[in-house]
Amino acid sequence: AQSVTQLGSHVSVSEGALVLLRCNYSSSVPPYLFWYVQYPNQGLQLLLKYTSAATLVKGINGFEAEFKKSETSFHLTKPSAHMSDAAEYFCAVSDPGGSYIPTFGRGTSLIVHP
Amino acid sequence: EADIYQTPRYLVIGTGKKITLECSQTMGHDKMYWYQQDPGMELHLIHYSYGVNSTEKGDLSSESTVSRIRTEHFPLTLESARPSHTSQYLCASSASRGSEQFFGPGTRLTVL
Repeated sequence: AQSVTQLGSHVSVSEGALVLLRCNYSSSVPPYLFWYVQYPNQGLQLLLKYTSAATLVKGINGFEAEFKKSETSFHLTKPSAHMSDAAEYFCAVSDPGGSYIPTFGRGTSLIVHP
Repeated sequence: EADIYQTPRYLVIGTGKKITLECSQTMGHDKMYWYQQDPGMELHLIHYSYGVNSTEKGDLSSESTVSRIRTEHFPLTLESARPSHTSQYLCASSASRGSEQFFGPGTRLTVL
């Protein structure tokens, strides 16, 4: 069975500071990995995905994530936070050899201070 | 414009009522999903479908049913709503197994 752990239910940064949201997964096979963002009163929107190509994945809005197999991690980063980045972020993992249905983490709320 | 829609966006009902949450997508996706979302928790899969006349239960037993008569439509029905059903319900679709999911805006349900 696969699982996702997002460290920190809340992360607080100042505008212009580095954003780092952590995601660790467990999977018996090389997984597909996703980061989604959810703004208030909206559904989830894909930020980026890893599907066994380049280990450094670039997404929308300046976000990127690096797949590290040895650490079973897929942390999300952005060099400089904007106020508009304040939202809930979800990491998800799916097993290409199984049902493909993703397992989601509990989410991390990003708070950006002026 | 290709999109995924959910109605109603907000619903407040009394215990014991039967309700149907609507979900439609115009992207032609075969795969559709229903999730329950509560604050600080993982998204819990309630039901999913891999195509017309194909439905499966997810890992969360929510006493609900779904149907998939048309590719674009995937409604969720609660036969008898209870306060424990109070939550946000998200509908999603995907083009293929393993591809990213596209989510609707959600229905926030409150059962009194």
